[in-house]
Amino acid sequence: KNEVEQSPQNLTAQEGEFITINCSYSVGISALHWLQQHPGGGIVSLFMLSSGKKKHGRLIATINIQEKHSSLHITASHPRDSAVYICAVGETSGSRLTFGEGTQLTVNP
Amino acid sequence: DAGVTQSPTHLIKTRGQQVTLRCSPKSGHDTVSWYQQALGQGPQFIFQYYEEEERQRGNFPDRFSGHQFPNYSSELNVNALLLGDSALYLCASSPGTGGYRDYGYTFGSGTRLTVV
Repeated sequence: KNEVEQSPQNLTAQEGEFITINCSYSVGISALHWLQQHPGGGIVSLFMLSSGKKKHGRLIATINIQEKHSSLHITASHPRDSAVYICAVGETSGSRLTFGEGTQLTVNP
Repeated sequence: DAGVTQSPTHLIKTRGQQVTLRCSPKSGHDTVSWYQQALGQGPQFIFQYYEEEERQRGNFPDRFSGHQFPNYSSELNVNALLLGDSALYLCASSPGTGGYRDYGYTFGSGTRLTVV
């Protein structure tokens, strides 16, 4: 069992739909990161959070430390949101990141 | 303010050869981490450098080695390349290793290595 599990692996939505991607982890963490990766390969950091909820534009990230679970929500999805979304955790004992496998999101017009 | 710069962007090597990948961290960052991302998978931690020393290492063989220079830039070296080393190699920089509770990562665009 991976230390960081994401679901779903693949997600197809119609433009305008509300999207949720889930992440569960089994290790102690200092912080959880949500990252976006486009086909070119570069990774962009969306959120880093250790408690509660953060919002940036149409993106919302929540974390429940007790349940070791986080969700990334996208409101009013748009085709330009199509990308791989990756959950990663920073372990308590160091700053290395452990990544989930990623969720491939495709938003159709 | 430049982010993380990696070079080259693409590379093709033959089995058995050696390769060196380079990374310049974001201004103000002194810690560099390297990750390997195979196609369709999440990145895997290779190692992390701070103050010119390897601080942490993932589950990678000794064929993978690195170096950090006084200006915080870093190199990843892979010897005796195998077909399975084909992957996207990502560099991430962060502002120090103390505390870990407020670190922010900046990722480079990666180097796509193909071993034939």
